[in-house]
Amino acid sequence: EADIYQTPRYLVIGTGKKITLECSQTMGHDKMYWYQQDPGMELHLIHYSYGVNSTEKGDLSSESTVSRIRTEHFPLTLESARPSHTSQYLCASSEYGGAGTQYFGPGTRLTVL
Amino acid sequence: QKEVEQDPGPLSVPEGAIVSLNCTYSNSAFQYFMWYRQYSRKGPELLMYTYSSGNKEDGRFTAQVDKSSKYISLFIRDSQPSDSATYLCAMSVDYKLSFGAGTTVTVRA
Repeated sequence: EADIYQTPRYLVIGTGKKITLECSQTMGHDKMYWYQQDPGMELHLIHYSYGVNSTEKGDLSSESTVSRIRTEHFPLTLESARPSHTSQYLCASSEYGGAGTQYFGPGTRLTVL
Repeated sequence: QKEVEQDPGPLSVPEGAIVSLNCTYSNSAFQYFMWYRQYSRKGPELLMYTYSSGNKEDGRFTAQVDKSSKYISLFIRDSQPSDSATYLCAMSVDYKLSFGAGTTVTVRA
């Protein structure tokens, strides 16, 4: 079973608030990812990191930012939340080499009012 | 055109039936092919992965890849109500995954 954790699991906030979604993994994986998932739609990659101090934007444009100061920690921040940010956010990690299979956390369901 | 197209479903089958799930893809560079299972309000869970054309079995699950046709399938034998979930195909190149939209399966007891 994958050891990757996300907090909070559910978050309801008002427009304009700053939020940080936490993601931690205990597997020592180099690579970490953030996806956005809406009902019935594909997972869309919004950010990824291949190691400490390395971050890249994904295929889906996002107003969020990420940081990777420690291997195990990959938080995502929204400076000013808007209703269009309402979605499920999934964090994943994968080890170096191999098939690149990714292991997912349970997700954070964000609702911006 | 999307890189990965997945049969949308939903599928509803009686317990014990064989479930067949399919995806097609357009990017010849994809190297690895995976199937994930996602229960409601949970993150996707890796079921199987393979990198070559042919079949791979794991218990009641069989993953099939046909690279010449750019087509992958997942078969679930002797389906159980606990198999009720959304199944996502995914394909990787350079450690990045492209996902299908998922097929929701309901196995009726």
